[in-house]
Amino acid sequence: KNEVEQSPQNLTAQEGEFITINCSYSVGISALHWLQQHPGGGIVSLFMLSSGKKKHGRLIATINIQEKHSSLHITASHPRDSAVYICAVRSRVNTDKLIFGTGTRLQVFP
Amino acid sequence: DAMVIQNPRYQVTQFGKPVTLSCSQTLNHNVMYWYQQKSSQAPKLLFHYYDKDFNNEADTPDNFQSRRPNTSFCFLDIRSPGLGDAAMYLCATSWTYNEQFFGPGTRLTVL
Repeated sequence: KNEVEQSPQNLTAQEGEFITINCSYSVGISALHWLQQHPGGGIVSLFMLSSGKKKHGRLIATINIQEKHSSLHITASHPRDSAVYICAVRSRVNTDKLIFGTGTRLQVFP
Repeated sequence: DAMVIQNPRYQVTQFGKPVTLSCSQTLNHNVMYWYQQKSSQAPKLLFHYYDKDFNNEADTPDNFQSRRPNTSFCFLDIRSPGLGDAAMYLCATSWTYNEQFFGPGTRLTVL
């Protein structure tokens, strides 16, 4: 079992829909990252969280440390949001590296 | 704008011919990372520099080497590329072990 699990693996949506991507982890963490990767492209850091909630534009990320769970929400989704969204955690034990989830592939259709 | 730059964006090399990928950053971050990412897989950390200290991952093949001549630049050297080394190579930087900022990647093709 992976230390970082994401669901769903694949997600399709119509433009304008509200989208939620979930991440669960099994290790103690110092921080959790949400990353975005467009097809064939590099990675963009969306959020780094250690508690609570962060918002940037149409993106909202939440984390529940007790439940070891985080969610990434996209409001009013748009085709340009189509990408792979990756959850990654920095464990408290090995702070020098990220443990990556397997990613959620999102496609938003007009 | 402060950023992480990788050159070239696309690199084609021949089997066994040494190749060097370049990463530079204007963020003045003290940690620089090299990741290998194969299709539909998560990035795999190869090694990182914390300041001048080199930290190799246990499972990184000896074929992969790195140099960091100064704070801004870090190089990935592949001494004898094999077909299995074809991948996207991502450079990232951070201040200590905080949020990582990624470059656009170099896609390596081995013929």
